[in-house]
Parts: sequence; structure tokens; C-alpha cells
Amino acid sequence: AQTVTQSQPEMSVQEAETVTLSCTYDTSESDYYLFWYKQPPSRQMILVIRQEAYKQQNATENRFSVNFQKAAKSFSLKISDSQLGDAAMYFCAYRSAQGAQKLVFGQGTRLTINP
Amino acid sequence: EAQVTQNPRYLITVTGKKLTVTCSQNMNHEYMSWYRQDPGLGLRQIYYSMNVEVTDKGDVPEGYKVSRKEKRNFPLILESPSPNQTSLYFCASSPIQQGKEAFFGQGTRLTVV
Repeated sequence: AQTVTQSQPEMSVQEAETVTLSCTYDTSESDYYLFWYKQPPSRQMILVIRQEAYKQQNATENRFSVNFQKAAKSFSLKISDSQLGDAAMYFCAYRSAQGAQKLVFGQGTRLTINP
Repeated sequence: EAQVTQNPRYLITVTGKKLTVTCSQNMNHEYMSWYRQDPGLGLRQIYYSMNVEVTDKGDVPEGYKVSRKEKRNFPLILESPSPNQTSLYFCASSPIQQGKEAFFGQGTRLTVV
């Protein structure tokens, strides 16, 4: 079974600075998808960024980018120019490219932005 | 507007009193699932459905039931709730095609006393 681990329960960063959230996963599959979700105090799950395992190029969405290291099974999220609105719980998630579309989530990292 | 709608958003109930949390999506998605979120554990899948009348257990199905009589609806049923089912619950839907984004409901905060 696949597992996802986020080893940083809490992180904080100064506004306008850069922060990196860590995520590692374990799988025997070669084809899969990885996601970062943001959960603000409203509880809504918001997709931040996604990565297809077969793509070597790291995904980027505006201030958000990932460092995908397939051999190391690592998928970190970098937030540049942090803003107060980035404060939230962030979840890393894995989904197989075959069979049922279950998302396997990490434990979450709570990000605080200091003004 | 494409959305997944859960009701209620907050619920406090007593042990043993049957309850249903509703979930409805307007995107004609085949795949729907329920997750529970607990501190330090992230989200874990309870049940999922690949299409109408097709449901299967996820990772933590004990104490829950689901049904999929219509494509848009996927209710979560707690026949006899217990305090260890106090949690934040999410319904999600996605197309059957691989790689497509999952859409989540707003969440239901359930407290069982």
C-alpha cells in the first residue's frame, strides 16, 4: 500500500520570504500523480499544484512550484513571496494512475505567515 | 457553477442515533468518495463509488455505510454513531478518467457525544 509522509507538522515564514514544505511517499508503482492541497480556515480543500510522475519537469503555478525527485520519492512544495493568504494547512497526496482514484494523504503541515 | 455540496456543515449528535450526511455533485462525475480528517492523520478514505450501484470499502469503513442510487448523490450513513467517529468529513468527486482533478465538498464537522 502507498503511504505519504509529511514530517513537518508546523512551519512558519516571514511575509515575502520563501518556504519549502516537505513530502515523501512510498510506492512500488511507476505511474502516478502527486498533489498539494491547501486547506484554509474555511476548511475548503483547494488544489494548489499537481505533478504527473512520468513528467520530469517540475510543475509550477505562479508562486508555487514543486521539486519532484522520483528516485528519492520526494515531492516538496516551494512557496515564493509568501503572502498572508497562504496561511493554511497543506496536504501532500498521492494517487495511482491505475484502478480506483483513491487519494492517499500525508498528515499535513500547518503553515503560519508572520507579517 | 461546478460544485460538490455536503449537508449539514456542522452536526452534534448523541451516541447511537442514526444520521446521514448528504453529498451531491453537479458535474456528472462517475467517481465519488468519502474521507475523514483527523489531527495528525490527514485524510483517510472511508468508502468510494466508481458509478451507480457500485461501492466499495476504503481504508476505514467500520461503522459507516454508503449508497449510490443516483449518479449525483452519495450519502454517508452512520447507523449507530460512536464518539470515535467525531471527525471532519469530506465528500469528493472526480471523472473516471485518470489524472483529473478531484473536487471536494465544504466538509462536515461531526461531534458524537
